[in-house]
Amino acid sequence: DAGITQSPRHKVTETGTPVTLRCHQTENHRYMYWYRQDPGHGLRLIHYSYGVKDTDKGEVSDGYSVSRSKTEDFLLTLESATSSQTSVYFCAISAGSRNQPQHFGDGTRLSIL
Amino acid sequence: GESVGLHLPTLSVQEGDNSIINCAYSNSASDYFIWYKQESGKGPQFIIDIRSNMDKRQGQRVTVLLNKTVKHLSLQIAATQPGDSAVYFCAVFLNDYKLSFGAGTTVTVRA
Repeated sequence: DAGITQSPRHKVTETGTPVTLRCHQTENHRYMYWYRQDPGHGLRLIHYSYGVKDTDKGEVSDGYSVSRSKTEDFLLTLESATSSQTSVYFCAISAGSRNQPQHFGDGTRLSIL
Repeated sequence: GESVGLHLPTLSVQEGDNSIINCAYSNSASDYFIWYKQESGKGPQFIIDIRSNMDKRQGQRVTVLLNKTVKHLSLQIAATQPGDSAVYFCAVFLNDYKLSFGAGTTVTVRA
């Protein structure tokens, strides 16, 4: 299995609070991604990174920010959590930008009350 | 853009039989395809991939078939086992590193 660790694995918080999710990889892969998975929508890309300090938006980036200060860590922040951001969040990594599979962590289940 | 659809949301299969899971995509320029398996409480797990210059690729007990003419790919699982019970997704690349995922087919293996 790809060396991807997501933390925390579960979190319950209240609307309006800031939340940061962490993805840590031991594969030294250049590319990292954050997805959310919701019933009826499948996996949707929030943000991705193509190198240290290099990030870009995905299809559902509103309300989320990311940072990547080291190759191995990619952080996802909800500045002011809303109930619509209740979801399961997955981090993925890949060795290349094209024709390379993305490998996923086991997710963070986030509930916003 | 790219849209990805699966033909059946659920599939029930007898243990030992072969399973076939289908996926359709919309963009003829798509050039790389992946199948994932997701078990409850876990992240998607890479099964097999195929590039557009191939029609077929085999792995351990799995085969992926790609028909570019009708923009369709399938995953065949031989001698399905209880451990194969999971949700299966196809994912499609379109000229960059962003994946489009299908909604998933839930496979249930009957003993």
